Amino acid sequence: EPEVTQTPSHQVTQMGQEVILRCVPISNHLYFYWYRQILGQKVEFLVSFYNNEISEKSEIFDDQFSVERPDGSNFTLKIRSTKLEDSAMYFCASSSGGAADTQYFGPGTRLTVL
Amino acid sequence: AQKITQTQPGMFVQEKEAVTLDCTYDTSDPSYGLFWYKQPSSGEMIFLIYQGSYDQQNATEGRYSLNFQKARKSANLVISASQLGDSAMYFCAMREGFYNQGGKLIFGQGTELSVKP
Repeated sequence: EPEVTQTPSHQVTQMGQEVILRCVPISNHLYFYWYRQILGQKVEFLVSFYNNEISEKSEIFDDQFSVERPDGSNFTLKIRSTKLEDSAMYFCASSSGGAADTQYFGPGTRLTVL
Repeated sequence: AQKITQTQPGMFVQEKEAVTLDCTYDTSDPSYGLFWYKQPSSGEMIFLIYQGSYDQQNATEGRYSLNFQKARKSANLVISASQLGDSAMYFCAMREGFYNQGGKLIFGQGTELSVKP
């Protein structure tokens, strides 16, 4: 069964450093998303992406964040200058469209900013 | 603004019994989709079940069913015959717009379910 994959599973970085979180969505899906979950809290929407451009972004997704689909399979989230409060689990998701348009999530990348 | 509320932070259920996890939502959009996800301790988010606002019947997927009461704006998840592997965090989520493809999900705070042997 096709699944969303994410790398790395855990990333530790120093405050102020740039990180790139990588995702491979399900191959025939058209819509891509990033969410984050701070430890013990609910899942929060960051950004959605369709047809090589951002469809919607939340207020969390400020100028330090960017997304890219550099080729036909990868979808990346870049955080330019990490802050302590960026420590969270980051989930990539994808969906194929249709009435339900169910989003399937990857296993997540746990980002720890020291 | 859309909102999802899960009022049960934690619940216990005996193995093989049924359990209901509560979810209420608020939206002014007449068309929307409701989803339940399971998050085991390993951290991944697993899709369980979907209910569209125009669906006439409650959704079912194996041991999972969704008790959809539109007038009350509730979408409770019912797990029948609980198993030890059902112990996890459960999140209710909503997407506004029936054909809002690519639309964001808004999540509730989650309910942690513990199944006792």
